[in-house]
Amino acid sequence: DTGVSQDPRHKITKRGQNVTFRCDPISEHNRLYWYRQTLGQGPEFLTYFQNEAQLEKSRLLSDRFSAERPKGSFSTLEIQRTEQGDSAMYLCASSLRGRDEQFFGPGTRLTVL
Amino acid sequence: AQRVTQPEKLLSVFKGAPVELKCNYSYSGSPELFWYVQYSRQRLQLLLRHISRESIKGFTADLNKGETSFHLKKPFAQEEDSAMYYCALFQYGNKLVFGAGTILRVKS
Repeated sequence: DTGVSQDPRHKITKRGQNVTFRCDPISEHNRLYWYRQTLGQGPEFLTYFQNEAQLEKSRLLSDRFSAERPKGSFSTLEIQRTEQGDSAMYLCASSLRGRDEQFFGPGTRLTVL
Repeated sequence: AQRVTQPEKLLSVFKGAPVELKCNYSYSGSPELFWYVQYSRQRLQLLLRHISRESIKGFTADLNKGETSFHLKKPFAQEEDSAMYYCALFQYGNKLVFGAGTILRVKS
């Protein structure tokens, strides 16, 4: 187990296109979090899962964003009709239980042209 | 609203000098605070959390509820400490609220 992995590492897309990112958490971690980080800012919470249940979504997550964790293992984050303001680093993290250390992935850098 | 403030974007010190990275928070309740670090070309990783009261890589941080602060300190900076440091707060649901980060640059 090499830690949390994310794919792709970089994505360049044109405005209006849909993109999907994948996160593979550390195996046996039942909590999975998505964060977004823009230049000069710390990561901002987007959503989190406990097993396959999505328990909370931030107001940052507009209707164009959807996240899934179908079998309680990997997760996907989809952005529909991308906008230039969606350009950011998207980080995934996982933890064994709620108040445990969150382990972060390397992130997916999205650039919307 | 819960918030974490790191007032310095950049802190530059000489090797061997003391380091203090400032963090202030606002939280209604009993806070649980962390310092995360990101070295160049590496992922974000936990440095320390206040409940463990550990010293990691020579760094310590004390929670001061009266001043709502959780400053990170090290008595003698080393070049390998150069990195981006984020202060973070556990919020309901155990999501993290991060500050904007401080770049620490240790000069030789």
